[in-house]
Amino acid sequence: SQQGEEDPQALSIQEGENATMNCSYKTSINNLQWYRQNSGRGLVHLILIRSNEREKHSGRLRVTLDTSKKSSSLLITASRAADTASYFCATVKETSGSRLTFGEGTQLTVNP
Amino acid sequence: GAGVSQSPSNKVTEKGKDVELRCDPISGHTALYWYRQSLGQGLEFLIYFQGNSAPDKSGLPSDRFSAERTGGSVSTLTIQRTQQEDSAVYLCASSLLRANTEAFFGQGTRLTVV
Repeated sequence: SQQGEEDPQALSIQEGENATMNCSYKTSINNLQWYRQNSGRGLVHLILIRSNEREKHSGRLRVTLDTSKKSSSLLITASRAADTASYFCATVKETSGSRLTFGEGTQLTVNP
Repeated sequence: GAGVSQSPSNKVTEKGKDVELRCDPISGHTALYWYRQSLGQGLEFLIYFQGNSAPDKSGLPSDRFSAERTGGSVSTLTIQRTQQEDSAVYLCASSLLRANTEAFFGQGTRLTVV
């Protein structure tokens, strides 16, 4: 299995609802990052959480990290149709410098 | 430019031909990455540069794939004797060479081998 596996693979919700996506990984990490991708092209960085942090907020985004369970979650509150995109977690291993390893992603659809 | 620039945006090539994909990273970004993404899939790591050297090229799928970076800036990914399974979006990203920093992605090159 790949480092950084997201679930669910696909999520469909109504506008205004919260969306939660999870990510699991296998090795020790330096940090974990979440990215968003629209229309299968370039990715945009959303938030980075360091291995010694447990929770981080940025606007409507909330990320948690549990290093004992090797898992992270991304919560988008009060979702909007414009949040429709693919969301990926990426890990930076302690031993590999700055290399980012991505998971398969979660396709989020927010219905108006 | 302000962001990571990739060219061409789209490339259609015949099976067996060689292709070159270009990435122009953000000025000052020492780290540069190449990824490949097939339709509906995650990002497959190909190669990582620190300056002009590639300490991690473990993701290159075969010896038909090679990449170089000159002057610590522009990088070229070359695919020789293209095959249909090489069809994908090739993404380049760059970042500062320090811990806990984000990567900035280009818009990718969509390669179609016919």
